[in-house]
Amino acid sequence: AQTVTQSQPEMSVQEAETVTLSCTYDTSESDYYLFWYKQPPSRQMILVIRQEAYKQQNATENRFSVNFQKAAKSFSLKISDSQLGDAAMYFCALETSGSRLTFGEGTQLTVNP
Amino acid sequence: DGGITQSPKYLFRKEGQNVTLSCEQNLNHDAMYWYRQDPGQGLRLIYYSQIVNDFQKGDIAEGYSVSREKKESFPLTVTSAQKNPTAFYLCASRRKANYGYTFGSGTRLTVV
Repeated sequence: AQTVTQSQPEMSVQEAETVTLSCTYDTSESDYYLFWYKQPPSRQMILVIRQEAYKQQNATENRFSVNFQKAAKSFSLKISDSQLGDAAMYFCALETSGSRLTFGEGTQLTVNP
Repeated sequence: DGGITQSPKYLFRKEGQNVTLSCEQNLNHDAMYWYRQDPGQGLRLIYYSQIVNDFQKGDIAEGYSVSREKKESFPLTVTSAQKNPTAFYLCASRRKANYGYTFGSGTRLTVV
């Protein structure tokens, strides 16, 4: 069985500042993929970033980057230069060997102007 | 534009009734999924299908049923056996393994 844990139910950040959302996971598989999804108030799930476990290099997508610590089974998301549009629920997710995604409980991010 | 369409956006059900949520995709994806989302919780998998005419139970399949007669369509029926059906339901599809899912915009089901 695989699990994903997000220990921060809520986070807040000032506009233009940087925030880091935490995620830990557990799996016995050696081949897996990690994702961060964003769910804004519209409730549409949007893929933010993807990390392949076999790659040591941390994934980046514009202002979004991850800190992937494989040994610690940690996968945090850093949002730089936070914008009001970044306010959303963020979900960490794990997929192993082409099976289904397992999601964490989510972190609600508030961006303060 | 390609995407996933869920309908209706809002659905109200009387207790004891079955209701069917629609999910259609024109992305030519093989795999499709149904998730349930409750307030303050993550997404929990109800059913998934990796190929036409085949589907598997997820973690919370009791009280739900699905069919996959066409590649494009994966409807979810919420039966009267589902004791607490009020929730937000998300449908998703996947192009290939390990590339993440594409989600629909969801259906909000309320029991009245």
